[in-house]
Amino acid sequence: DAGITQSPRYKITETGRQVTLMCHQTWSHSYMFWYRQDLGHGLRLIYYSAAADITDKGEVPDGYVVSRSKTENFPLTLESATRSQTSVYFCASGSAQETQYFGPGTRLLVL
Amino acid sequence: EDKVVQSPLSLVVHEGDTVTLNCSYEVTNFRSLLWYKQEKKAPTFLFMLTSSGIEKKSGRLSSILDKKELFSILNITATQTGDSAIYLCALNTGNQFYFGTGTSLTVIP
Repeated sequence: DAGITQSPRYKITETGRQVTLMCHQTWSHSYMFWYRQDLGHGLRLIYYSAAADITDKGEVPDGYVVSRSKTENFPLTLESATRSQTSVYFCASGSAQETQYFGPGTRLLVL
Repeated sequence: EDKVVQSPLSLVVHEGDTVTLNCSYEVTNFRSLLWYKQEKKAPTFLFMLTSSGIEKKSGRLSSILDKKELFSILNITATQTGDSAIYLCALNTGNQFYFGTGTSLTVIP
C-alpha cells in the first residue's frame, strides 16, 4: 500500500541501549523528516533529508543519528538512549519542504 | 525562546460557533507558514501561507498571514464535533521548521 509507515509503533528500551526507528515511504518523495513531540514543546525537528545521501540537522539533533542511503527509507538511531529521549517520534515525507505527510508515529519509552 | 507562539492554549465551543486561532512568531525571514490539524495521531496538512494578506480557504476553514505584524490566524466557521483536534502552526525558514505547541479545540454538540 502506498503511504508512509513507521516501525515499531511502540518501543520500550533501557538507558544506554541503541534503538533504531524505521521510516518508509512509497511516494518517492525527495524530502523526509524526523520530529519528536513532547508535552509543552510541540513538534521539534530532529533531522531532515532533501534527497538520498543528503541529511541536515534540525533543532534538536543531539543524541540522534540518521542515514538516507535509499530515497524511500530514513532510519533514526538513538546510539545510547537516555530517559530524556522518551517521546513520540514522527516521520514525515514530502515532494517539497512544505508538503509534509506524517507517519503514524512511534511511542518510545526509555527506562 | 519560543519562535512560534499559539493562542489560546485550549478552547471549548459549541457546535455552530466560529473560532479564531492565533499564531504569532518572531522570525522575520521565512519561506512559509503552515497550519496542521492533529487529531489522535499524526498531523495533517491544512494550509500553506507565503504572502501577506492573501486568504487561503478550504470549506469552513480559512487562514491569513500578516507579515508586518508577525502573525497568522486560522478561522473555523460553523464548527462541528469533527473539528475537535489540536491545531498546529509551523514556520519554515528554509532549513528549519519551528512548530508551536498548538491550540486544543473541543467542539461540544
